[in-house]
Amino acid sequence: QSALTQPASVSGSPGQSITISCTGTSSDVGSYNLVSWYQQHPGKAPKLMIYEGSKRPSGVSNRFSGSKSGNTASLTISGLQAEDEADYYCCSYAGSSTGVFGGGTKLTVL
Amino acid sequence: QVQLVESGGGLVKPGGSLRLSCAASGFTFSDYYMSWIRQAPGKGLEWVSYISSSGSTIYYADSVKGRFTISRDNAKNSLYLQMNSLRAEDTAVYYCARWYGAFDIWGQGTMVTVSS
Repeated sequence: QSALTQPASVSGSPGQSITISCTGTSSDVGSYNLVSWYQQHPGKAPKLMIYEGSKRPSGVSNRFSGSKSGNTASLTISGLQAEDEADYYCCSYAGSSTGVFGGGTKLTVL
Repeated sequence: QVQLVESGGGLVKPGGSLRLSCAASGFTFSDYYMSWIRQAPGKGLEWVSYISSSGSTIYYADSVKGRFTISRDNAKNSLYLQMNSLRAEDTAVYYCARWYGAFDIWGQGTMVTVSS
């Protein structure tokens, strides 16, 4: 299966909101409510930020929110902070015990 | 605390083999599906392999099918990845991760370098 499509980079100023899109197909994002988002700082392991499209794990700031419409999922970060600068990856279940990641988006906080 | 710790990475020549291990602690390992995910230097994440809680369901990405074998020992709270016929393009950090509708727990990763 092909990787989900994410913008290579996004940027925003502290306090602003940004949205990262994740476009798949009717075979993955569009078919399952199993889209998740991961934050990865340089040299670190990824960290789960959103699961099942819009749910936040315990301990994740409510500045992070997720949504889905059709074959596209989105991650919104409000009230941008310097520590939000990282790479972000979406992931979707694609059926038959398979899954697919997006190519990743580099978030720069200006 | 809930933790995954990978080991077994290193430098190997093309065509060689390596076995990765992932030790789980702080949760009931046998209740969870587990996966291996890799990240080539400067690249994105790739879902490599996946095994159900009992080991009865297994998935491999096309890029590793026929060369890699995932397994688990629930009595030892351990996950394994046997990697054979390694290629330069297998060079990556390999993470084990717990799957519960999402990859909610990740190890710190182990680096595998395939080079002559």
